[in-house]
Amino acid sequence: DSGVTQTPKHLITATGQRVTLRCSPRSGDLSVYWYQQSLDQGLQFLIQYYNGEERAKGNILERFSAQQFPDLHSELNLSSLELGDSALYFCASSVGTGAGETQYFGPGTRLLVL
Amino acid sequence: TQLLEQSPQFLSIQEGENLTVYCNSSSVFSSLQWYRQEPGEGPVLLVTVVTGGEVKKLKRLTFQFGDARKDSSLHITAAQPGDTGLYLCAGRADNDYKLSFGAGTTVTVRA
Repeated sequence: DSGVTQTPKHLITATGQRVTLRCSPRSGDLSVYWYQQSLDQGLQFLIQYYNGEERAKGNILERFSAQQFPDLHSELNLSSLELGDSALYFCASSVGTGAGETQYFGPGTRLLVL
Repeated sequence: TQLLEQSPQFLSIQEGENLTVYCNSSSVFSSLQWYRQEPGEGPVLLVTVVTGGEVKKLKRLTFQFGDARKDSSLHITAAQPGDTGLYLCAGRADNDYKLSFGAGTTVTVRA
């Protein structure tokens, strides 16, 4: 158990819909990262927040957005869903943002868009 | 195109054999990490290397960071079925916040 929690564990929805994925970081961690893992793309970095502020952006679509709240939990919002958005979505957390920081991954949310 | 290229993509060996997984790039990394991921779970960090030429050992696992900090290898001695999983390398390039992952190597150790 990494100490990072993600809900829900599984999500099945239809194309065009909107979903929200939730992540609670490890106690004391200020950074939250979101990743997408699909069979053809591997693990792709989406976005990072540090203490409520966006810190880095990766391959995140405009249909996707995220935020980190004052209690440090984070939500990833996926809208106008397409079949290709079906993937595992992971949240990770770390204490800070340094190059050698250890990121602890949650168990993931498996999203299936039908 | 992956920033980090891992090889081989799949590896199936018998218990007791040795194996090596490679992670290569044309970019220089300030740090490089190796993770293992089991089905239905998130990646779990095995090791972080930050110095060119660094070698770290974790029981039967040996990790090496290239002198130029562009490549790394993971060697498992006397593999066991419990070593089965997806091995991912990940690096943070100089002056970059984000962590880039390789596509992974699926290792299967047969009893």
